[in-house]
Amino acid sequence: DTAVSQTPKYLVTQMGNDKSIKCEQNLGHDTMYWYKQDSKKFLKIMFSYNNKELIINETVPNRFSPKSPDKAHLNLHINSLELGDSAVYFCASSQPYRVSEAFFGQGTRLTVV
Amino acid sequence: AQSVSQHNHHVILSEAASLELGCNYSYGGTVNLFWYVQYPGQHLQLLLKYFSGDPLVKGIKGFEAEFIKSKFSFNLRKPSVQWSDTAEYFCAVNVALNDYKLSFGAGTTVTVRA
Repeated sequence: DTAVSQTPKYLVTQMGNDKSIKCEQNLGHDTMYWYKQDSKKFLKIMFSYNNKELIINETVPNRFSPKSPDKAHLNLHINSLELGDSAVYFCASSQPYRVSEAFFGQGTRLTVV
Repeated sequence: AQSVSQHNHHVILSEAASLELGCNYSYGGTVNLFWYVQYPGQHLQLLLKYFSGDPLVKGIKGFEAEFIKSKFSFNLRKPSVQWSDTAEYFCAVNVALNDYKLSFGAGTTVTVRA
């Protein structure tokens, strides 16, 4: 009965590869987010979508492309992976513009080797 | 832009000890304040939040936090910790008029020894 689920939980890949992380929420929320937690544990917002439309793009390299096929899904596709992309990526969802009440997924630990 | 700093990187304590985690933010306007917890292998969960009103906020699992506006602080406390409180704790802020972005602190790892 997971509210916000991400797959995979762990992802190890080589530099230069393209990979995707999927996120699904069953809460009926309109707004979804991707956060990146770096090696120093800082959580920073990357993207936010509201009802499939991009509303936040926090100066993220264009190798990162979110895709929202419907409002229950916000997938993160990363091209040409670099070592510095290694991090934990968290998906979250909330009612529109209510990030203060967001539900978070378990995170996807991406390791680029 | 607002920023959040958490003073303690790693706290180790014994069961029944009291816990206090510091959090300071930098933003001059009205803010909403939060503490999140991440237990090992689990997702981030909201412990408590402050929007307005009584600056002493009570959350789940016996946690409380006090908002001191003059100090730009929102410290988290628990009078008597349990082994199950072992987790990462994150302080977060968002600007009340701009409620689509959370700014997180670096987190504090709390290890409770039985």
